[in-house]
This record gives sequence, C-alpha cells and structure tokens, in this order.
Amino acid sequence: EVHLAETGGGLIQPGGSLRLSCEVSGFNISDYYMSWVRQTAVKGLEWVSIIYSGGDTFYADSVRGRFTISRDKSKNTLYLQMNWLRAEDMGVYYCARARGGSRFYFDSWGQGTLVTVSS
Amino acid sequence: VVLTQSPGTLSLSPGERATLSCRTSQSISSSYLAWYQHRPGQAPRLLIYGSSRRATDIPDRFSGSGSGTDFTLTINRVDREDLAVYYCHQYLVSPYSFGQGTKLEI
Repeated sequence: EVHLAETGGGLIQPGGSLRLSCEVSGFNISDYYMSWVRQTAVKGLEWVSIIYSGGDTFYADSVRGRFTISRDKSKNTLYLQMNWLRAEDMGVYYCARARGGSRFYFDSWGQGTLVTVSS
Repeated sequence: VVLTQSPGTLSLSPGERATLSCRTSQSISSSYLAWYQHRPGQAPRLLIYGSSRRATDIPDRFSGSGSGTDFTLTINRVDREDLAVYYCHQYLVSPYSFGQGTKLEI
C-alpha cells in the first residue's frame, strides 16, 4: 500500500529555515517523479517543487533560490529545505507522487504538515 | 492559467447528482486536466486525470468530461462520504495551477 507521511512543520520566524521530510512506503521514490505542493490562505493549492527520477529538480518562481528539494534513496524519503521563509510561505505542505512525465498530475498525496511563519 | 471553479459550495441530499464546473482562462485541450477530492483531515485523492480517465479504485459514480476551457466533474448518487472539497488542476501550461475548490455539502 502506498503511504506518504510528511513531518517537520512548525512555527518559524520570518527569515528562518525549516526542513520538511516525507517518508514513503509502498514504492521506491527514486523510480518516480516526486513533488511538493502547498496550500496557503492566499493562493490556495500551489505547486512548489519537483524532483525527477533522474535527479533533475524544478521550482516555482516564488520559491526558487530559497527552497531545495532532495531525496535519500536509502531512507526512501523526500525532503524540502526551506530557507529565508516569508509570511506568504505559511501553509500546509504536501508531498505527492507525480505521474504523466513532464506534464504531471499527482496520484498519491500525504496528509500534509503545517508551516507557520510568524514573529 | 487561471482556473475558476463553480459553484463555491454545493449542497445536496444523498442520492442526488453533483455537477462541478472548472473553467480555464486558456485552452488546455482535453488531456491535461485532473480532479482531486480532499476530505476533511485526509490526504487529497486523485479522482480524474486526462479530463475523463478515472484513477485507480475510483468508483464509476465519478466521471469527468470537457475540453478546451470548460470541464465538468459529475458525481452520481452522492453519498455522505463524498463530503469534501474538490479541486481541478491543469498541467499543460507551466506553472501548473489549481482551482480554488468547490465544497460539497451533503
């Protein structure tokens, strides 16, 4: 059974850093495209980042240069390192498996982890 | 691409049919539109991809249709378990984008 579980959210001050983790069971993350999607009060659902099975990474304009997606194949875990956090980054962050190639949709999601950016 | 979903909230009784609309600000053909169900406290779930293809284990009460800029998710014989927010998602034009959601009340 496919299962994705995000951890690492919490309260952080503007300008701070957080690392989110997504532990996956039921498939090997290195065989798939894996993504982060967030839900904020202002923008609703928003794609954040993706890592291809081959290792290429891509980011939304709003987070490029501040966020880094990575994976640990041995732990079957996806990460999102978030630096220089802003108030507009506050929301629930979901990891998701992406299908369909470079034009991707999301066929499995975790339950999300809440990131609160506030002083 | 901006996706506009309507209605914002849909209130139905069990057994009725739900018709949810998603309109895109530019054409995305019929191949790059997905629908997700997000029940309270649960992970979002893929219902439909490619506008009309049901995802694995999705009952045939759920169907998707449309092309160009107008898409529809139909739920036949709604049940209390269908209480959720439903989102459409286009994945043709980068950055891929989501609608704001339709809340289905039963």
